[in-house]
Amino acid sequence: AIQLTQSPSSLSASVGDRVTITCRASQGISSALAWYQQKPGKAPKLLIYDASSLESGVPSRFSGSGSGTDFTLTISSLQPEDFATYYCQQFNSYPRGYTFGQGTKLEIK
Amino acid sequence: QVQLQESGPGLVKPSGTLSLTCAVSGGSISSSNWWSWVRQPPGKGLEWIGEIYHSGSTNYNPSLKSRVTISVDKSKNQFSLKLSSVTAADTAVYYCARVICSGGSCYGAFDIWGQGTMVTVSS
Repeated sequence: AIQLTQSPSSLSASVGDRVTITCRASQGISSALAWYQQKPGKAPKLLIYDASSLESGVPSRFSGSGSGTDFTLTISSLQPEDFATYYCQQFNSYPRGYTFGQGTKLEIK
Repeated sequence: QVQLQESGPGLVKPSGTLSLTCAVSGGSISSSNWWSWVRQPPGKGLEWIGEIYHSGSTNYNPSLKSRVTISVDKSKNQFSLKLSSVTAADTAVYYCARVICSGGSCYGAFDIWGQGTMVTVSS
């Protein structure tokens, strides 16, 4: 099974900072990677799919890049509402299946 | 606008069967999307349980496959999860979610989620 490793596991940053979270897959997954934001007590919210496609309604300060095994989520200028936990998730098309990373908690410095 | 709503018992006894339903509103379950269940134990990460297509085709997480059944009821526009032989390790928030299709292509990501329902396994 494909495993995803996110780094860092936690991160402290300030409003206005540029932040990058990394997700590494245990084997190549082409561009089949998504990123989610989750706030306490809420369902995850899709930010990025297909490694770099911005979900409708998501602010443009969020961007995704990468292919193969190494992927990044970048927030260009942190806003107060961005402090949350972020998950990457991969999709395997054959056999069909999905795996999540362990999460990165983004906290206010 | 499609919305998902989970329902079912919040408490299940050990060795029993967890049963949940996800009602789809604002759209048809017979669209080109797959429909999934995802869970999250308290304070932990997300785990995909399985998915179903309106035709009845299913795919399951290999680690749960022996205990999971997902079914669809097109007449009620809903799909359901059954997880048997539950233990305390199955205590979690259970979400239903839709796999995104955009521009005529479908991608392996979840664009619409239910609010989640907490299920506790305890005697």
